[in-house]
Amino acid sequence: GAGVSQSPSNKVTEKGKDVELRCDPISGHTALYWYRQRLGQGLEFLIYFQGNSAPDKSGLPSDRFSAERTGGSVSTLTIQRTQQEDSAVYLCASNPDRGLSGANVLTFGAGSRLTVL
Amino acid sequence: ELKVEQNPLFLSMQEGKNYTIYCNYSTTSDRLYWYRQDPGKSLESLFVLLSNGAVKQEGRLMASLDTKARLSTLHITAAVHDLSATYFCAVRQYNNNDMRFGAGTRLTVKP
Repeated sequence: GAGVSQSPSNKVTEKGKDVELRCDPISGHTALYWYRQRLGQGLEFLIYFQGNSAPDKSGLPSDRFSAERTGGSVSTLTIQRTQQEDSAVYLCASNPDRGLSGANVLTFGAGSRLTVL
Repeated sequence: ELKVEQNPLFLSMQEGKNYTIYCNYSTTSDRLYWYRQDPGKSLESLFVLLSNGAVKQEGRLMASLDTKARLSTLHITAAVHDLSATYFCAVRQYNNNDMRFGAGTRLTVKP
């Protein structure tokens, strides 16, 4: 597609429920990132997928968080048993990952705003 | 682990004034990025700095990179209200596509 698409744009859920957030990167972009941004805060790295390599999960805050990327394209971030502190905007970004010599600028989606009541 | 620090975190400026935002990072890097975020919006790319001594300019913004000092600066010249936004630097770790962001600098330009 023309840009990075995220859904839903807004999600309100009750504490303890599971949520799934979806990211559809730009076609041909092999690198995909998830970040979390709490209100008024910076970007917190969650997970990074690069091609067929094992993802870098070092930023996932707890085992309630998981992500997968199917077929090297669409990614789903799943948060189980949501807590109020999970409330944030979850941003997805992709880049073409043109090797180590490329500029590899990130293109961000509009984000999914999660509110846990 | 790669750490990225920005300062100041909050900056209130008068229109017409100059100021500099600083971005320090902790490990060897070969790419540094500056992004802009308007309230309620996502991030947009401003600059990519690819080598030591690189300087990029767009309008009233100029970014530079000193890889030996592990420092990038974003200089604002003669600020105008339209520059009000949050500015993030991001660093790509050397030989890796992993990217980490600073906490952001919230800039407010007052008339």
